[in-house]
Amino acid sequence: GAGVSQSPSNKVTEKGKDVELRCDPISGHTALYWYRQSLGQGLEFLIYFQGNSAPDKSGLPSDRFSAERTGGSVSTLTIQRTQQEDSAVYLCASSPARREQFFGPGTRLTVL
Amino acid sequence: GIQVEQSPPDLILQEGANSTLRCNFSDSVNNLQWFHQNPWGQLINLFYIPSGTKQNGRLSATTVATERYSLLYISSSQTTDSGVYFCAVEANDMRFGAGTRLTVKP
Repeated sequence: GAGVSQSPSNKVTEKGKDVELRCDPISGHTALYWYRQSLGQGLEFLIYFQGNSAPDKSGLPSDRFSAERTGGSVSTLTIQRTQQEDSAVYLCASSPARREQFFGPGTRLTVL
Repeated sequence: GIQVEQSPPDLILQEGANSTLRCNFSDSVNNLQWFHQNPWGQLINLFYIPSGTKQNGRLSATTVATERYSLLYISSSQTTDSGVYFCAVEANDMRFGAGTRLTVKP
């Protein structure tokens, strides 16, 4: 079956612009995670959705970052007023109820 | 939050050699996974192993939850094994280690 997909694969934007990153999880997976990976670094947890529960936003680095998950499926990560330090690869993963996670290919964001 | 330490940070092997990667964590965990991030950045699931031992071809993993560590064994390494190996644990939230960067030379 289809894996986790993310779009766009690459995004170049100017400092101060807003960006939206999309994640389509594996069908039937109730849990969805967003991570950020800076060049040569490990993964930094951003936000976690589980079913209809309130999301765990504890990893969001600032109030410029937000995410939503519509209908328990597709998720959008929004970064407002982008800064150069937001440049990174943004990874999405889904899992069946907090078990094994499956990752998408990521979106490479470059803020000029 | 929970601390995850991986060792060694870097490892260079000759093709055909064996290796052991270690992941230590600071508290009890519900889940533990090993991933391989290939040179193109894709994270590939290797093992979901909160406890016990699993094997998949040349790879195997063991987690001793009571002693808070997990080991990933790679036997007869190949150049395609190169990349970064991450351990990820879940307690109250999800934490990744900093990874082990493996280079296998032909």
